[in-house]
Amino acid sequence: DQQVKQNSPSLSVQEGRISILNCDYTNSMFDYFLWYKKYPAEGPTFLISISSIKDKNEDGRFTVFLNKSAKHLSLHIVPSQPGDSAVYFCAAIDQAGTALIFGKGTTLSVSS
Amino acid sequence: EAQVTQNPRYLITVTGKKLTVTCSQNMNHEYMSWYRQDPGLGLRQIYYSMNVEVTDKGDVPEGYKVSRKEKRNFPLILESPSPNQTSLYFCASSPLDRTNYGYTFGSGTRLTVV
Repeated sequence: DQQVKQNSPSLSVQEGRISILNCDYTNSMFDYFLWYKKYPAEGPTFLISISSIKDKNEDGRFTVFLNKSAKHLSLHIVPSQPGDSAVYFCAAIDQAGTALIFGKGTTLSVSS
Repeated sequence: EAQVTQNPRYLITVTGKKLTVTCSQNMNHEYMSWYRQDPGLGLRQIYYSMNVEVTDKGDVPEGYKVSRKEKRNFPLILESPSPNQTSLYFCASSPLDRTNYGYTFGSGTRLTVV
């Protein structure tokens, strides 16, 4: 059963607008959440993370929001740029810290 | 430069011919892991290691072996590859510091088993 779900396989946004990528999880024991960005022919690159004890974390144009009661997190990119076009993976790690569990990814396309 | 290095980047092999994909990191990370990426399935963990001589199974370990004899190296071994192991493989490493979970991934190994 999939513990981390990204229900939107793709998202298209215009340059300068906000991109919102969503992620849902089922395991309430997850301790930490991360977002990774992946370009073709490259490995995933760490983007931003959030601890389960927080509800928001910002890093430049990227903000991650966590709603524990809804078991939902989202990544906001403002403003979106064409270079942001990539596959974005949501991931979670449990308290044992033995595995990074990934969603299936959302392909973001930012058009100029 | 801090990095995870995988070799080879591309490999085509035949069913049953043993192969090893190497992974090396230069960040002195305790934790290392192997993932495979398949269309529509995302990234799934194969094996992981919390430190030297400590390895354990992930979600999809069947058909794979690993070893961790040195901290920096974590090779993935396919004793008898089969076509269903055709995939894109990523090695990753991370410190065990719970405030820093920025896993570093290698560039990937695309394996085709015919």
